[in-house]
Amino acid sequence: AQSVAQPEDQVNVAEGNPLTVKCTYSVSGNPYLFWYVQYPNRGLQFLLKYITGDNLVKGSYGFEAEFNKSQTSFHLKKPSALVSDSALYFCAVNYNTDKLIFGTGTRLQVFP
Amino acid sequence: NAGVTQTPKFQVLKTGQSMTLQCAQDMNHEYMSWYRQDPGMGLRLIHYSVGAGITDQGEVPNGYNVSRSTTEDFPLRLLSAAPSQTSVYFCASSTPTGTSGSNEQFFGPGTRLTVL
Repeated sequence: AQSVAQPEDQVNVAEGNPLTVKCTYSVSGNPYLFWYVQYPNRGLQFLLKYITGDNLVKGSYGFEAEFNKSQTSFHLKKPSALVSDSALYFCAVNYNTDKLIFGTGTRLQVFP
Repeated sequence: NAGVTQTPKFQVLKTGQSMTLQCAQDMNHEYMSWYRQDPGMGLRLIHYSVGAGITDQGEVPNGYNVSRSTTEDFPLRLLSAAPSQTSVYFCASSTPTGTSGSNEQFFGPGTRLTVL
C-alpha cells in the first residue's frame, strides 16, 4: 500500500537559516510526489511536484525539494527561511491515479 | 476565475441531522475530491469523482454520500451526523493524470463542521 511519512510534527528554525522538512514515501513503482502548504484557516496551496527527470525540483516562494529514490525521500528545503514561511506543510504521493495520499503534516515555525 | 469554492464556511449540527456541503469549481476540471482534515492525521480522502456521473469511495467514505451531475459541482452529503464527523472538510479539483504525469490539485477554503 502507498504511504507517506513526515517524521517531524514540528520544525523550528531561525529566520535566515536554511530549513528542511522531511518526507519519506512507500510505493510500488514510480511515484508522483507533491508538497503543499497550508496557512492558518486556509485551504492547501500547491508548492511543487516531482514527476520524473531532474531530482531537484524548484517550486513557489523559493522552495525546492530533492527526490532521492534510494532513500525513498522527498525532503522540502529552502536556503533562507522567512517568518512568513511559518505554516503547515504536507507531503503527498500518488501513483498512476489522481488520488493523493497525504502525510500527517509538519508545522514549520520560523522565529525572528 | 473563482477557483474552488465551498459553502458554508462554518456549520454546527446536532447528532442525527443531515446536511450538504457544497463545492463548485470553474476551471473545467474533470477530477474532484473531498477530504477531511483532523489533527495529527493529515488529509484523508472521503470520495472522489473522475467526471460527471462517476464517483467512487476513498479511504473514509462511511457516513457520506456524493453525486456528480455536472462538471462544476460536487456536493458532499452527511446522512446522519455523528460527533466523529467533526472535522474540517476540503474539496479539491484537478485535471486528470495524463501522459505528462499527475497534476496538482486546487483546494477550496474549507468547511469547519462541528457535530454536537
